Amino acid sequence: TQLLEQSPQFLSIQEGENLTVYCNSSSVFSSLQWYRQEPGEGPVLLVTVVTGGEVKKLKRLTFQFGDARKDSSLHITAAQPGDTGLYLCARGTSYGKLTFGQGTILTVHP
Amino acid sequence: DTEVTQTPKHLVMGMTNKKSLKCEQHMGHRAMYWYKQKAKKPPELMFVYSYEKLSINESVPSRFSPECPNSSLLNLHLHALQPEDSALYLCASSQVVAGVSYEQYFGPGTRLTVT
Repeated sequence: TQLLEQSPQFLSIQEGENLTVYCNSSSVFSSLQWYRQEPGEGPVLLVTVVTGGEVKKLKRLTFQFGDARKDSSLHITAAQPGDTGLYLCARGTSYGKLTFGQGTILTVHP
Repeated sequence: DTEVTQTPKHLVMGMTNKKSLKCEQHMGHRAMYWYKQKAKKPPELMFVYSYEKLSINESVPSRFSPECPNSSLLNLHLHALQPEDSALYLCASSQVVAGVSYEQYFGPGTRLTVT
């Protein structure tokens, strides 16, 4: 089973703080996606990382893909209440299936 | 247009009712998916349609019956559900390249409550 271990499971911080979420596996990814889901809505695709060592930025969000393509991280700078939500990493497997990490529930307090 | 639409947004049904959830996408994606999601948990895959044919059924009970009338539409027919089936039901779609699909685009979901 190609599990994705995501940590931390819960994160509660004050507005303006920085945070990092991690996604790890024992096997190599061909690609990895990060999604954010707000309460009552569906997951929204934030980014796809494909190349080992790749870094992508989306405003205050920085996504890294490990050199060995077994791990990824999401770093948020100066978090805002609007960043609150469930963050999910996911990898594609055969036949169109997505394997999700357990998710990180982020709460940013004003 | 990267939008997947789902109707209804909310649904309350009794255990003897029959209802249907609907999903639509106009991105030209040839793979469509149904997921079930419980609160604060990742989505759980139920069904995958590839080129309008059912390719994956994750051992879902027969009270859930999927249907893909065409490449843009996906339905989930519900009958004789149980209270534990109450959840957010998500539809997603993706491209299929060389038989493999990765990036999935999700709809907003249908919040289902079974009474």
